[in-house]
Order: sequence, then C-alpha cells, then structure tokens
Amino acid sequence: QKEVEQDPGPLSVPEGAIVSLNCTYSNSAFQYFMWYRQYSRKGPELLMYTYSSGNKEDGRFTAQVDKSSKYISLFIRDSQPSDSATYLCAMSGRGAQKLVFGQGTRLTINP
Amino acid sequence: DAGVIQSPRHEVTEMGQEVTLRCKPISGHNSLFWYRQTMMRGLELLIYFNNNVPIDDSGMPEDRFSAKMPNASFSTLKIQPSEPRDSAVYFCASIPGLAGVKGEQFFGPGTRLTVL
Repeated sequence: QKEVEQDPGPLSVPEGAIVSLNCTYSNSAFQYFMWYRQYSRKGPELLMYTYSSGNKEDGRFTAQVDKSSKYISLFIRDSQPSDSATYLCAMSGRGAQKLVFGQGTRLTINP
Repeated sequence: DAGVIQSPRHEVTEMGQEVTLRCKPISGHNSLFWYRQTMMRGLELLIYFNNNVPIDDSGMPEDRFSAKMPNASFSTLKIQPSEPRDSAVYFCASIPGLAGVKGEQFFGPGTRLTVL
C-alpha cells in the first residue's frame, strides 16, 4: 500500500462548479500537507500549504486537513478553465525536507 | 531570476545506451532533489542532496542509476544501461536550506526521456 493515495481521475467538470480533490495517507508522522498544481508539460508548483489539522483559505482555494482520519482535501470554488491541470497532494514529517506525493488528479474545467 | 534549469528537455535513446540528465539549481539553494514521474507511479523521489552531499538515495531504483553533484550549481543523473521501463519525465527541484519554506520546492521543467 502506498503511503499517500490519490485518485488519478481524470475529473471533468463545467466552469463555475465546485471541485473537491482528496488524498488519504497512512503515515501518522506526517505534519505538513501541501497541494501542488502541475500544468501540462511543466513542473509542479506549490499551490497551498497547511500545517497539522485545520482549514486554510486562499481566494477560491480551500485546503482542509483531518489528521484523525488521515484525509486531506482541496476545494476549488467558481472553477475556471485556467484551473485545468493536474493537482498533486504532498506531505512530509518533521523537517519538511522529504516530500511524499500522491499520484495526482488530472482536472479539466469545461467552458 | 532564472528558475531551475534542466537539459535536455527531451531525450530519445535506444535500450542499452547511457543517458545523462543535467540540472542547475536556483542560485543560493543548497538542497537538490531528483524525481521521476510516470502515469502509473506518479511523482517519486529518487535522491536528494544537501550541500552537494547525497542525503537519501533510497528511491534510486537500481544500480543502473547514479547521481552526482560536483558543485553547488550542477547535478547529473545518469542511467547506464538504459531500459524501456526507464521512460518517464525526470524532474529536478531545489530549495534553500535544509527544508523548504512552507513545503515549497522549486521544480524545473523536466526532461522527457523515451527509451526505445
């Protein structure tokens, strides 16, 4: 079993929809949780960062972490075609140096 | 500022050939990571360096893979001999210090390797 599980999709939704992306993990030592966005033929870029449990909001994006359930989510409100990309969850333990990534979910927002 | 630079961007080679991928980290960053990305396995960490010293190479798949960082501004990942199952996109990433600020690693554009 992988340390981090993420449904690879693909996921296709209409413009304006609310998108929910999720990851589960097995390592209780993980303390830092991130979402990276990767456009086609590009390297991943950090989108959201959360430490421990809780919610974090940044514009149309909200990241949630539930450590008791070992479950993290990314919500995108009012989705736009420019949000079409692959979204990778990532997490790490103390020190935050070595990241473990999920497989990535390929998302398409249709105009 | 220039980001992480990788070369070549695309590489097509035949099975059994030696392949060398190159990376120049962001100036001032002293930790460097090599990843491999495939559809089946996602993004996997192969090896990372801190101050040019390999810290963790547990992700290197086998002895055919080797990585070096002779100085702070250059690293190579070598595959010898290459096999079709090595076909993937290889990313290099760098961070300042030992741990990225808020988990941020800076990725290069990747090298798309195809082994025929």
